Amino acid sequence: AQKITQTQPGMFVQEKEAVTLDCTYDTSDQSYGLFWYKQPSSGEMIFLIYQGSYDEQNATEGRYSLNFQKARKSANLVISASQLGDSAMYFCAMRIYGNNRLAFGKGNQVVVIP
Amino acid sequence: EPEVTQTPSHQVTQMGQEVILRCVPISNHLYFYWYRQILGQKVEFLVSFYNNEISEKSEIFDDQFSVERPDGSNFTLKIRSTKLEDSAMYFCATRLSGGNNQPQHFGDGTRLSIL
Repeated sequence: AQKITQTQPGMFVQEKEAVTLDCTYDTSDQSYGLFWYKQPSSGEMIFLIYQGSYDEQNATEGRYSLNFQKARKSANLVISASQLGDSAMYFCAMRIYGNNRLAFGKGNQVVVIP
Repeated sequence: EPEVTQTPSHQVTQMGQEVILRCVPISNHLYFYWYRQILGQKVEFLVSFYNNEISEKSEIFDDQFSVERPDGSNFTLKIRSTKLEDSAMYFCATRLSGGNNQPQHFGDGTRLSIL
C-alpha cells in the first residue's frame, strides 16, 4: 500500500513570497500519478496540479509547480508569488495507475500574511 | 467551469438513523468516488464506482454503506445505521475517463454530524 508523508508544521509565508510544501511517498509501484489539492477553510477540495511518474518535465500550472524527484520519491509543491487567497490546507495525493483510489497525506497548513 | 454538486451541505442525524448523501457528477464523467475526512484528519477513500458497479472499496466501506446511481445522474452514498464515528465530511469526486493524467474533481462536501 502506498504511503504519503507531509510532516511540515503550519507555515507562515509573506505575501508575494514563494513557499515550498514537502511531500514524500512510498510505493513499490513504478507507474503512478501524484496530485496536489487545496482545501480552504470553507472545506472544498480544489485540484491544483498533476505529475505522472514517467513525466520527464516537472509539472507547472500557473503559479504552481512541482519539484518532482523520482529517485527520492518526493513531489514538492512550489507556490510562487503567494496571495492571501492561498491560505489553506494543501494535500498531496497519489494514485497507482490501474487503481481507483487516491491516497492522501495529512496535509500542510499555509497561512499567507500581508 | 462544471463542478460536482453535493447535497445537503450539512446533515445532522440521530445515531442509528439512515442517511443518504447525494452527488451530481460533472456531466460526461464516468468514474465516481466517495471519500471521507474526519475532522482534523486526512482524506480517506471509501469507494469507487464505474459502469454501474463498485470497482473498488476500502476496509472502511463495510455493510452499513452502499452506493448507487438510481437515475443515471445522481450518485448516492447511503449509511444504513449511523454511528457516532461516522461524523465526518463526505466528499464525492468524479473523473472524466480512465486516463492516467485525469484528476478526480471533488464536490464541496457534506458535513455529517451524528448525535
